[in-house]
Amino acid sequence: NAGVTQTPKFQVLKTGQSMTLQCAQDMNHNSMYWYRQDPGMGLRLIYYSASEGTTDKGEVPNGYNVSRLNKREFSLRLESAAPSQTSVYFCASSIQGSGQPQHFGDGTRLSIL
Amino acid sequence: SQQGEEDPQALSIQEGENATMNCSYKTSINNLQWYRQNSGRGLVHLILIRSNEREKHSGRLRVTLDTSKKSSSLLITASRAADTASYFCATDALRSGGSNYKLTFGKGTLLTVNP
Repeated sequence: NAGVTQTPKFQVLKTGQSMTLQCAQDMNHNSMYWYRQDPGMGLRLIYYSASEGTTDKGEVPNGYNVSRLNKREFSLRLESAAPSQTSVYFCASSIQGSGQPQHFGDGTRLSIL
Repeated sequence: SQQGEEDPQALSIQEGENATMNCSYKTSINNLQWYRQNSGRGLVHLILIRSNEREKHSGRLRVTLDTSKKSSSLLITASRAADTASYFCATDALRSGGSNYKLTFGKGTLLTVNP
């Protein structure tokens, strides 16, 4: 049982390049989330999808776009990468609703030079 | 903005000792969750406490919630070297729009348990 799978695990980009981070879950969860984790900042929500067909901005959405491709998959796109987007990115999923634990992938470590 | 703030930022103890971490938050919540993160891995859910509960236990974990003080504590008893990790509190509050529940995480406490 894989849970939440993120690809790639590591990536180095040059400023201005674009890329898409992939996330898939096999737990039949309705809700999916993208976070970034920076030293001393904890996790900050970038975008989330409460259910298939909907997406909403989180705390730090600027410079990112998302696509909820289907119930299983939720991708995060950087159109023009900037050094400030160097971070560890985590995808999570949960059953929709209050009080549901989130299940996390192991992250994508992204460096932008 | 961060809703939860953990205290202390770092904690170092000896194996067998108890570890207590605190979390303070700012606005009303539906529930509060604690997560653990091992180095280089994703977060793992530990325990959830609802706003109408005051204390909850799960194995060696004990969580308390004081809504009047907007604070929670996580106690790990008889700690082990394998408990070395970062611990995060996350608050769950209903946002405007009705149905979109989401968590707001604190910055975490790094716990080191020395053998």
